[in-house]
Amino acid sequence: KAGVTQTPRYLIKTRGQQVTLSCSPISGHRSVSWYQQTPGQGLQFLFEYFSETQRNKGNFPGRFSGRQFSNSRSEMNVSTLELGDSALYLCASSPLGQGAEAFFGQGTRLTVV
Amino acid sequence: AQTVTQSQPEMSVQEAETVTLSCTYDTSENNYYLFWYKQPPSRQMILVIRQEAYKQQNATENRFSVNFQKAAKSFSLKISDSQLGDTAMYFCAFMNGYHNNNDMRFGAGTRLTVKP
Repeated sequence: KAGVTQTPRYLIKTRGQQVTLSCSPISGHRSVSWYQQTPGQGLQFLFEYFSETQRNKGNFPGRFSGRQFSNSRSEMNVSTLELGDSALYLCASSPLGQGAEAFFGQGTRLTVV
Repeated sequence: AQTVTQSQPEMSVQEAETVTLSCTYDTSENNYYLFWYKQPPSRQMILVIRQEAYKQQNATENRFSVNFQKAAKSFSLKISDSQLGDTAMYFCAFMNGYHNNNDMRFGAGTRLTVKP
């Protein structure tokens, strides 16, 4: 079974630009969560999607958005990039069931210059 | 809001020895889940062990076991017979069991180095 796939693996963007990151969950998983990982703030929850609906959102500005498609693939978008958005963005998919294990992708390393 | 605290930023252990990583959390909920994830240099987070709060028995996975003290809100990870491949960042995570979502709150992590 293929794991969680995130594309691209690395990305360099300029301040003010926007970026879209993609996540393909494990087949059959309908829950997709996104996390931001930085040395200063650690791992922070961005949002979670289930069956194309956002179920929960972390404490991030509206520049961060996401969506989920009918095949459970998810994208997250960051508009008007700031230097502080440089981070590793991790996507995780989970099967049905409360408290289920999250399976993580290898992440997208975003650098804003 | 739930918070997770890992008080040991870095630890080291000799190969084949035992090491314990600490984690405490703060919640007013009674139903929740706790996890330990490992993040090696490859960056991919891997589940080490999972504990359901309503289960008294401590979870065990091969060389990995937890000491879950619900009243003290403590969830430590014991790694026995440490191996070089255990070198990684270890994150403790909390998931609320009442809300219908899968978001986790993570601690700051402990960097574990296993020395030959």
